[in-house]
Parts: sequence; structure tokens; C-alpha cells
Amino acid sequence: ETGVTQSPTHLIKTRGQQVTLRCSSQSGHNTVSWYQQALGQGPQFIFQYYREEENGRGNFPPRFSGLQFPNYSSELNVNALELDDSALYLCASSPATGTGELFFGEGSRLTVL
Amino acid sequence: GENVEQHPSTLSVQEGDSAVIKCTYSDSASNYFPWYKQELGKRPQLIIDIRSNVGEKKDQRIAVTLNKTAKHFSLHITETQPEDSAVYFCAAWAGFQKLVFGTGTRLLVSP
Repeated sequence: ETGVTQSPTHLIKTRGQQVTLRCSSQSGHNTVSWYQQALGQGPQFIFQYYREEENGRGNFPPRFSGLQFPNYSSELNVNALELDDSALYLCASSPATGTGELFFGEGSRLTVL
Repeated sequence: GENVEQHPSTLSVQEGDSAVIKCTYSDSASNYFPWYKQELGKRPQLIIDIRSNVGEKKDQRIAVTLNKTAKHFSLHITETQPEDSAVYFCAAWAGFQKLVFGTGTRLLVSP
């Protein structure tokens, strides 16, 4: 069974640029969630995708957007990067929506200069 | 919305001692409470969870207790080992597609 995989693992961007992060869900999992974890803090919910539709969103501005593909993989896009966007971005998959069980990938660490 | 508070923020124990981390939540509709362990530079890993229809769950050296009336839940680690050193996060699920995490507890187990 393949776990959640994310790419890239590390990246550096400058303020104002755009970034795309990718996630492949665990085999058999059809729901993908994205979380932002700033240094020294707990993960914060960005949004969730189920059946290629956004299925819930946290308190993040519209410049954070996402996609889910038919194979359940997902992308997180962030436009107009700000310094405060520097964080570990975690993708989590779950076997079904509405259960709370999340299995996290290793994350993509984004640094915005 | 849901709010989760976690204490203490840091916890130092000697190897073999027990460690207890406590969390409170605000939304009485929350019905699922997982605990995650995160080692430096690694992903959060689910170590134990409990649903609101039980009061206690145990898995070898770790256990979780839940008090729905008081809206708090706790993680208990017995016979701590140096490899238990990590940051531990509690979380609460009230539906609405998201887990709400606590602020984390840095556990240091000294040999």
C-alpha cells in the first residue's frame, strides 16, 4: 500500500510569485485535505477535496486554490506569495469524507523570501 | 467554530516516567479526537484516536481518555523512552470536513 506522497519536498520562492504543490493520495483514499503548518504551530486547515470538488474551506484567502483529479491526486496553488506563506504544507488523505481520519504526507516546505 | 487548547507546551520527563498531555475543546458536536506525533522535519503520524462513544482507549504504552461532559481529553504515555521525544498534537473533529489542532506539546524524554 502506497502512502501519501507530496512534491516538491522543499522550494524557495520570492514574494509575489506563484507556487504549485502536488499530492498523491494513499491507495483507496478518495478525499484529500490540505493543511498549512507554520513553524512551531499546529496544522491549519486550508481546504478539502472530494470527488474533484472543494468540500470545505478554512480561513484562507482566495489566492489559495486547489484541484483534485480523477485519480484522486491533488494540487495546491498559491498566487501572489507573501512572506507569511512560508510554512510546511501538508496533504492528507482519508478513506471517506466525514470520518476525521487523516493520513499525512511528508509535506512541502515552502520558503518565501 | 471549534477551538482546541493544549497543555503543557513543553514537558520534560526522565526515561521510564509517565507523561500526560491535556486538551480541551469547545464544540460539543465534536465526536472524534486523534493524537498525532511529529518528529523534527517529519509528517504528523496518527498514534491513537478515540471517538465520543467511548471514554478510554489503550494501545500498549499509550492511552487516551475522554470526558465529554467536561470537554477534555488526555494522552497518557507510560514507561517513556527517548524515542518518544517529539511534538504531540491533539485534534478535534466536529464534522465540517476539518480537524482542528491544538498548539502542540514538545515532549523531551531524557535517558
